[in-house]
Amino acid sequence: QLQLQESGPGLVKPSETLSLTCTVSGGSISSSSYYWGWIRQPPGKGLEWIGSIYYSGSTYYNPSLKSRVTISVDTSKNQFSLKLSSVTAADTAVYYCARLIRWQWPDYWGQGTLVTVSS
Amino acid sequence: EIVMTQSPATLSVSPGERATLSCRASQSVSSNLAWYQQKPGQAPRLLIYGASTRATGIPARFSGSGSGTEFTLTISSLQSEDFAVYYCQQYNNWPLYTFGQGTKLEIK
Repeated sequence: QLQLQESGPGLVKPSETLSLTCTVSGGSISSSSYYWGWIRQPPGKGLEWIGSIYYSGSTYYNPSLKSRVTISVDTSKNQFSLKLSSVTAADTAVYYCARLIRWQWPDYWGQGTLVTVSS
Repeated sequence: EIVMTQSPATLSVSPGERATLSCRASQSVSSNLAWYQQKPGQAPRLLIYGASTRATGIPARFSGSGSGTEFTLTISSLQSEDFAVYYCQQYNNWPLYTFGQGTKLEIK
C-alpha cells in the first residue's frame, strides 16, 4: 500500500523559507507513470495547487507562487521536497504531498502537516 | 486561471436520500475533472476522475457526470459516512490546476 508522509518544521518565521519533505513508501518515486505534487489548504479554507515534479526532476509550478517555490526530488531516498521562500502569514496552511496519476489528478495523499507562519 | 465554482455552499440532506452537487468551470475543461471527499482532520480522498470514472474502492452510490463547463456529483443514497466536504478539481489547464471552494454536505 502506497504511503506518503510529510515532515518538516511546524512553525516558520515571516520572511524565512518553509521547507518540507515527503517520504514515499510502498512504491517507487521513479515510476514513469506518476508525478508528485504539493497542495496546501489554509485553515478553514479550500485547496490550492502549489506544483509538481517528475522523477527526472522536471518541475511545474503554480504561476502565482512560482517566484517563491522550489520542488526537488531525491530518488535515492524516495523523497521529494518543497521550499517556499519569503513566507508571510498568508502561507499558513496544511501542506499535503500527493501522487499524481500521470501529471493530472492526485490519487494518494499524505496526511498533511500544518505549517504556521508567525514570529 | 480557470475558476471552479461549486454550488450550493452547504447542502442539507437526510440519510437515505439523494444528494446532487454541482461544479461549474469558467471555461471548458473537457472531461478533465476530479471529485474529492474531505472529512475533518483528514486529507482529501479521490472519488471520481475523468468526470465520471469512480476511483478504486469507491462505492457505486457515487457517480459523476458532465463535460465542458458543467459537472455533477451524485450520491444516490446517503450513508452516515458520506457527510463531509466535497471538492471538484480541474486538471485541464496544466500546470495551474484549480479546485472549487467546496460543498459541505450536512445531515438534515
